[in-house]
Amino acid sequence: QVHLVQSGAEVKKPGASLKVSCKTFGYTFSAYHLVWVRQAPGQRFECLGWINPYTGETQYGQAFQGRVSLTGDRSLSTAFMDLSRLTSDDTAIYYCARAGRGYEHHGALDVWGQGTVVIVSS
Amino acid sequence: DIQMTQSPSSLSASVGDRVTVTCRASEDIYKSVAWYQQVPGKAPKVLLYAASILESGVPSRFSGSVSGTTYSLTISSLQPEDFATYYCQQYYSLLATFGGGTKVEIK
Repeated sequence: QVHLVQSGAEVKKPGASLKVSCKTFGYTFSAYHLVWVRQAPGQRFECLGWINPYTGETQYGQAFQGRVSLTGDRSLSTAFMDLSRLTSDDTAIYYCARAGRGYEHHGALDVWGQGTVVIVSS
Repeated sequence: DIQMTQSPSSLSASVGDRVTVTCRASEDIYKSVAWYQQVPGKAPKVLLYAASILESGVPSRFSGSVSGTTYSLTISSLQPEDFATYYCQQYYSLLATFGGGTKVEIK
């Protein structure tokens, strides 16, 4: 069964860094792009970026340039999202999702992780 | 960035009603649109992609259409399990963008 399992909730201080993992099951890790999105309270979904697990190619949202890094470990079938210099505006639920309906990153997100709640507070 | 303007932001409807939600794209996105359903505390679930292709396992009362740059999600006969929030997403550009959501509530 295809599914994604993310790491657990995090509470961080402003200025700290965050690392969220996304372990994939039931399909070939390198076959589909993985997209990271977040949902802040009262805000629409926002895309942080995506990674091609086969080549390691990444693309980041302009709002996160210089603060976000997406990586993948094919031996673990796991993707990682690092976000630095956190502020209270980064309080959100973070999701990884597979771009499985389309072509490369131009795809609808057919499988989602369960979400990781991140709270940034002093 | 491509903007997706979704309307209405909320609506009240009864079981059995026909409901339509729309998203207007700021430019041509060539049917690269997906619709998602989200219930509180859960991740979104894809309903349709490529504007009108029904995801496997999704009931046929859900359908999608497009006219120009305006995309629509229609639920032909609302069921109790359909009360949720619905989002559109464009995946034509380098980074996907989402509509603001439509909360469907029980009248």
